[in-house]
Amino acid sequence: EIVMTQSPATLSVSPGDRATLSCRASQSVTSNLAWYQQKPGQAPRLLIYGASTRATGIPARFSGSGSETEFTLTISSLQSEDFAVYYCQQYNDWPLTFGGGTRVEIK
Amino acid sequence: EVQLLESGGDLVQPGGSLRLSCAASGFTFVSYGMTWVRQAPGKGLEWVSGIFGSDSSTFYADSVRGRFTISRDNSKNMLYLQMNSLRAEDTAVYYCATRQFYFDDWGQGTRVTVSS
Repeated sequence: EIVMTQSPATLSVSPGDRATLSCRASQSVTSNLAWYQQKPGQAPRLLIYGASTRATGIPARFSGSGSETEFTLTISSLQSEDFAVYYCQQYNDWPLTFGGGTRVEIK
Repeated sequence: EVQLLESGGDLVQPGGSLRLSCAASGFTFVSYGMTWVRQAPGKGLEWVSGIFGSDSSTFYADSVRGRFTISRDNSKNMLYLQMNSLRAEDTAVYYCATRQFYFDDWGQGTRVTVSS
């Protein structure tokens, strides 16, 4: 099973600042990596797939990068609605696996 | 607009069974793989099972293989998850989602509680 490790567990950021979230895979997942956002009491929302392709309707301030085992989700200028938990997920191999999540909170 | 509506969640005793359903609309259901993802209280996301649209091939997490069965009825645009031999650790909100690799659209979830 491919283990996905996200860091940091919690990120404190001021509105308007940049946030950088990391995701590491225990073995190569090539570019088969997705990112999701989840707010309290809501279902997750797909942000990025293919490591760097924004899903439909996702603002340009969200960007993904990386390949193989190291990935980054960057939020260029945090808006109030961006404070949430973010998960990475690999789909290179079965079983599909998620990272433990990064909580982005208001500083 | 894609809509996914889960149902069937309940309180069940350990060892019991439940069948979850997901009613899909707003897209060509037969053309899409579908997935179940769960989230235990206060925890992260866990992929449970997926089913292809093309040939209905199925895939399971090790934690549920042999106990859970995913299926679909393309004539009714329905996705199912039959859960047997339920354990306390199966307690979670269960989401259905579109696609079998990454997950485009999600339902609002149905809650399953396994407790005596």
